[in-house]
Amino acid sequence: DGGITQSPKYLFRKEGQNVTLSCEQNLNHDAMYWYRQDPGQGLRLIYYSQIVNDFQKGDIAEGYSVSREKKESFPLTVTSAQKNPTAFYLCASRYSGVSELGYTFGSGTRLTVV
Amino acid sequence: ILNVEQSPQSLHVQEGDSTNFTCSFPSSNFYALHWYRWETAKSPEALFVMTLNGDEKKKGRISATLNTKEGYSYLYIKGSQPEDSATYLCAFGQAGTALIFGKGTTLSVSS
Repeated sequence: DGGITQSPKYLFRKEGQNVTLSCEQNLNHDAMYWYRQDPGQGLRLIYYSQIVNDFQKGDIAEGYSVSREKKESFPLTVTSAQKNPTAFYLCASRYSGVSELGYTFGSGTRLTVV
Repeated sequence: ILNVEQSPQSLHVQEGDSTNFTCSFPSSNFYALHWYRWETAKSPEALFVMTLNGDEKKKGRISATLNTKEGYSYLYIKGSQPEDSATYLCAFGQAGTALIFGKGTTLSVSS
């Protein structure tokens, strides 16, 4: 079955450490996205990529980095520069060639800084 | 930063009630308006993607309308059922960019 997989589901990080969240899709989607959710907030855009080897910053990119070396994969690194990294992170993908198609979301990673 | 507003923030209805939510978005450079349903412990799922002013979409008891000139969309649920309990997200898109999401409307349906 085609889908989008995020791992791990739960992640604990010590302050000062970098951590990488995985996002893999086998839907042959060309566009991929990272969003963050905090309590009482909507989904806020961190980074997105519409083609391999290219990505754009979203509204809250500071303290995060991404790579898009393969079409299927869009990992997100939360660096020690991110001041409030504890949050729920959602990855999504989309076939951008058809405007009527929505995003397909992963199941999310909950990151806690301890 | 573009803003998408959803109202109400939450509501509680009885089984069988009909309800509707509002999504307000910028009326400039419109490309698409998405609605998603997000059930607890699951991933958000696309309900509707609307691209034309005056669009009306329907899926079972759920329908949506779109007014791009004034920048709003309505989501209607007819005869709410407990399985409709979820958070409903609205998202606004401009060409070539990622969706901007509202904070969502959380619906609780009691039997």
